[in-house]
Amino acid sequence: RKEVEQDPGPFNVPEGATVAFNCTYSNSASQSFFWYRQDCRKEPKLLMSVYSSGNEDGRFTAQLNRASQYISLLIRDSKLSDSATYLCVVNRVNDMRFGAGTRLTVKP
Amino acid sequence: DADVTQTPRNRITKTGKRIMLECSQTKGHDRMYWYRQDPGLGLQLIYYSFDVKDINKGEISDGYSVSRQAQAKFSLSLESAIPNQTALYFCATSDHGGGNTGELFFGEGSRLTVL
Repeated sequence: RKEVEQDPGPFNVPEGATVAFNCTYSNSASQSFFWYRQDCRKEPKLLMSVYSSGNEDGRFTAQLNRASQYISLLIRDSKLSDSATYLCVVNRVNDMRFGAGTRLTVKP
Repeated sequence: DADVTQTPRNRITKTGKRIMLECSQTKGHDRMYWYRQDPGLGLQLIYYSFDVKDINKGEISDGYSVSRQAQAKFSLSLESAIPNQTALYFCATSDHGGGNTGELFFGEGSRLTVL
């Protein structure tokens, strides 16, 4: 079993839709949590950090539930430019572990 | 110019050949990493280094070696390439506190095909 699990999708949604991605992690000692975005054939880039209190950045909201070892990302009012693969990332003591990613396609 | 540069960007080689992938960075970061990405598996950590001469194994280090001779350079070697090492390889950097801020800066990737 992978340390970080994500629903691979693909999620195909119309513009303006709200979509949510989930992620679970198995190492209870994990210290910090993030969402990265990866466009097709490109390098991953940090989208946002995830805090226990929940945090929001424009149309993006991230949540962390440490008790359930569960992370989520909500995208509201989806844009065509949101089409990408979203990677859940968990920071252990010295290294970062990536989920396999959830692919999102936003259609006109 | 990219802050994290990988060479070569694409390479096709044969089974048994020795291959080196180079990574250089101009960000002044202490920490450097090598990941490989396979479809459906996400990024897997091969090796990481927190300083010159510091080398640490990641999740999948077998069949690979690395060298960190300078702060700005971190090279990955496949001593005897095999077909299941065909993948997209990423180098990444972070500063000393990068582990907690989550900010890894990636190169554009090196696509390796082993025939």
